Amino acid sequence: NAGVTQTPKFQVLKTGQSMTLQCAQDMNHEYMSWYRQDPGMGLRLIHYSVGAGITDQGEVPNGYNVSRSTTEDFPLRLLSAAPSQTSVYFCASSYSIWGDTQYFGPGTRLTVL
Amino acid sequence: AQKVTQAQTEISVVEKEDVTLDCVYETRDTTYYLFWYKQPPSGELVFLIRRNSFDEQNEISGRYSWNFQKSTSSFNFTITASQVVDSAVYFCALSEALLDGANSKLTFGKGITLSVRP
Repeated sequence: NAGVTQTPKFQVLKTGQSMTLQCAQDMNHEYMSWYRQDPGMGLRLIHYSVGAGITDQGEVPNGYNVSRSTTEDFPLRLLSAAPSQTSVYFCASSYSIWGDTQYFGPGTRLTVL
Repeated sequence: AQKVTQAQTEISVVEKEDVTLDCVYETRDTTYYLFWYKQPPSGELVFLIRRNSFDEQNEISGRYSWNFQKSTSSFNFTITASQVVDSAVYFCALSEALLDGANSKLTFGKGITLSVRP
């Protein structure tokens, strides 16, 4: 099993550009989520999904969109990048909705100029 | 609302010292899970332990041990005989089952940076 994979590993955008961060898992996990990590802030939940076709907002959803068309994939879209979105982004998955261990991807380091 | 406090931000020790990382949590639920993750300098997040609110037994895994005390809402992590490879950021996290049936989430503390010097 590859576990949770994320692409790209690094990305530099200009303000106003759009892009999609990819996340995939091959563990047949129902629950997937996106976090951002900023210095001194820990990890904060952006969006999450409890299954294909079902998504919901987390703590810091503004500026991000998600969709979940398959169990395996959970892409995160930045429609118009802003410098405040410079961060490290982690995707995670777990078997069930709560209480289960979340397994994290390697992260994507995004810089918005 | 659930909250995790890791009051220590940075700890520096010399190799072979013991070190304890503190975690205090707040939750309105009686059913919840606590976690510790390690983030080494390479950046990935590594799962260390998961503990549910009904199991207050302390756990030991090699040089790592965890002390869960519901009376003080704490879930502290001790590394015995620390090694340079233990240098990392350590996160404590809480997941609760909300009584209103809404979806739960994992709430992280801000992390503790541990530096182990040779």
